[in-house]
Amino acid sequence: DQQVKQNSPSLSVQEGRISILNCDYTNSMFDYFLWYKKYPAEGPTFLISISSIKDKNEDGRFTVFLNKSAKHLSLHIVPSQPGDSAVYFCAASVTGAQKLVFGQGTRLTINP
Amino acid sequence: NAGVTQTPKFRVLKTGQSMTLLCAQDMNHEYMYWYRQDPGMGLRLIHYSVGEGTTAKGEVPDGYNVSRLKKQNFLLGLESAAPSQTSVYFCAGKAGLFTDTQYFGPGTRLTVL
Repeated sequence: DQQVKQNSPSLSVQEGRISILNCDYTNSMFDYFLWYKKYPAEGPTFLISISSIKDKNEDGRFTVFLNKSAKHLSLHIVPSQPGDSAVYFCAASVTGAQKLVFGQGTRLTINP
Repeated sequence: NAGVTQTPKFRVLKTGQSMTLLCAQDMNHEYMYWYRQDPGMGLRLIHYSVGEGTTAKGEVPDGYNVSRLKKQNFLLGLESAAPSQTSVYFCAGKAGLFTDTQYFGPGTRLTVL
């Protein structure tokens, strides 16, 4: 049972445009959500997070939106840059569980 | 400050062989985790530890064992490797109870023939 789903395995965006990565979850107990970025041959690195008490969190070019009623979150990257080309994982947790549940990942390619 | 490191970076095993993957951290992480990453499957939790001397099963623990004898080290063992254990293994750590952000090592690519 995949509790966190990223239904787009890949996404291609032109440099300078907006990249939107999507993530859906099924467990209504999840109350904290994170995005990780992964380059080839490296470990995932933390990018941005959001608590369920918020619906938006912004950090520079990166914004995460949370729609609790739809059990959906998205990561917006504006403007997209070539260095943003990577695999992006969303993850979710339940307070107190001390574990993250990851989605399958979306490979983002930024074209010049 | 090396962060989270993993040894080895690459390994090729034959079916039935055993090996141990080492994760070391100098970030004073209380919690440590072992994941495997497979194409289309994301990161799946194998085992984790909530402190020195403790271990717990994750989502896919079968075929693996772990030990956390020292706070800074978390070992993942394969007693009898199988081709289904061909994967990239990541170790991660987090500071404590009141954070969910995990910090990952660079990974170990394991191939079982």
